Amino acid sequence: GQQVMQIPQYQHVQEGEDFTTYCNSSTTLSNIQWYKQRPGGHPVFLIQLVKSGEVKKQKRLTFQFGEAKKNSSLHITATQTTDVGTYFCAGRSDNFNKFYFGSGTKLNVKP
Amino acid sequence: DAGVTQSPTHLIKTRGQQVTLRCSPKSGHDTVSWYQQALGQGPQFIFQYYEEEERQRGNFPDRFSGHQFPNYSSELNVNALLLGDSALYLCASSRTGVGQPQHFGDGTRLSIL
Repeated sequence: GQQVMQIPQYQHVQEGEDFTTYCNSSTTLSNIQWYKQRPGGHPVFLIQLVKSGEVKKQKRLTFQFGEAKKNSSLHITATQTTDVGTYFCAGRSDNFNKFYFGSGTKLNVKP
Repeated sequence: DAGVTQSPTHLIKTRGQQVTLRCSPKSGHDTVSWYQQALGQGPQFIFQYYEEEERQRGNFPDRFSGHQFPNYSSELNVNALLLGDSALYLCASSRTGVGQPQHFGDGTRLSIL
């Protein structure tokens, strides 16, 4: 079956440092979504990537979709304490709205 | 504009019992998906409902069943509870259509003793 792998599992950074999480799928994806889950909270939608090689930016966050549509990354520039949480990618490969979530990367930012 | 609401927030059951969890989707949304999130893991897709029918299903046994009502709200039922069913159960709603953003509720924390 389809698998979405995400690395690293944990990342501890000093405030101001950059952060990147990577997502890899065993199959070609139709699109990929990214979510953020704060401790004790629920996943919150950040962005969706659809096109091969697509790059989208949201302030300090940069999202990329690989050329083969099998991998994606989220990069945060100059992390802040408000960035703390777990970041999940969720990939879809069929014609329905069924998404497979990665195991997430838990980001901790030390002030 | 209310977001996705789930009830109850917490539930404690014993092995072998049955449980029903409820979800009201965000206004304007007609598709409801249910996920199971174990501690430290990503959400695992259980199934999705649209037009009162199960449209997609993940790798979960038949003990997991659901329902969607004409007002788009949904229920998740789990029979013959096992210790391994302890998890956070998340409901996500979206508009119909491929690749729509999903809006999650706060979840129901289910503990099996």
